[in-house]
Amino acid sequence: EAQVTQNPRYLITVTGKKLTVTCSQNMNHEYMSWYRQDPGLGLRQIYYSMNVEVTDKGDVPEGYKVSRKEKRNFPLILESPSPNQTSLYFCASREDRGGRYGANVLTFGAGSRLTVL
Amino acid sequence: GQQVMQIPQYQHVQEGEDFTTYCNSSTTLSNIQWYKQRPGGHPVFLIQLVKSGEVKKQKRLTFQFGEAKKNSSLHITATQTTDVGTYFCAGPTSGTYKYIFGTGTRLKVLA
Repeated sequence: EAQVTQNPRYLITVTGKKLTVTCSQNMNHEYMSWYRQDPGLGLRQIYYSMNVEVTDKGDVPEGYKVSRKEKRNFPLILESPSPNQTSLYFCASREDRGGRYGANVLTFGAGSRLTVL
Repeated sequence: GQQVMQIPQYQHVQEGEDFTTYCNSSTTLSNIQWYKQRPGGHPVFLIQLVKSGEVKKQKRLTFQFGEAKKNSSLHITATQTTDVGTYFCAGPTSGTYKYIFGTGTRLKVLA
């Protein structure tokens, strides 16, 4: 089954304790990205990656790091989490073939709810 | 910065009533997509519009992309309880690979 898998699904942690949220896709997609969802603000892009070793900042990259060493994996790293990073996080991947219908569809993971105390 | 606003933020309708959500971007979008997120779930793709002025229909759902490619709308005819969820518009800004999502419209349908 084609899917994007995130782990953990739920996490409660404390300020300053480094954590990593993993994301893996089995669709051989080149484009992957991370979003955070907060009430009233919709989904905001944190980082995206066009391919292996190619990453770029989205709209809210502060406090986050990413890496893309393999095509299928795109982990999100919080080096020193703070309470304002409490949020629902989604990873997504996308087939990248330009403007063809259906080719730019984002497939989302189930989400990771993070609470930083 | 770039923003995509959706109105209304919330909408409660009686089952069978129509519903419309509007999406307005501060910048031109290469294309626009609509996603639906059920309560407790993740966003799921509904449709993509590419051409200015484009209109597409999916059963009771009608999607429109504005002529200037900066606004879009989603209209649901005769809502059903299965339409409950949050609807997001989204798209890459022209010339970039950054995705901008709208703020979302949460729809509740009362039986």
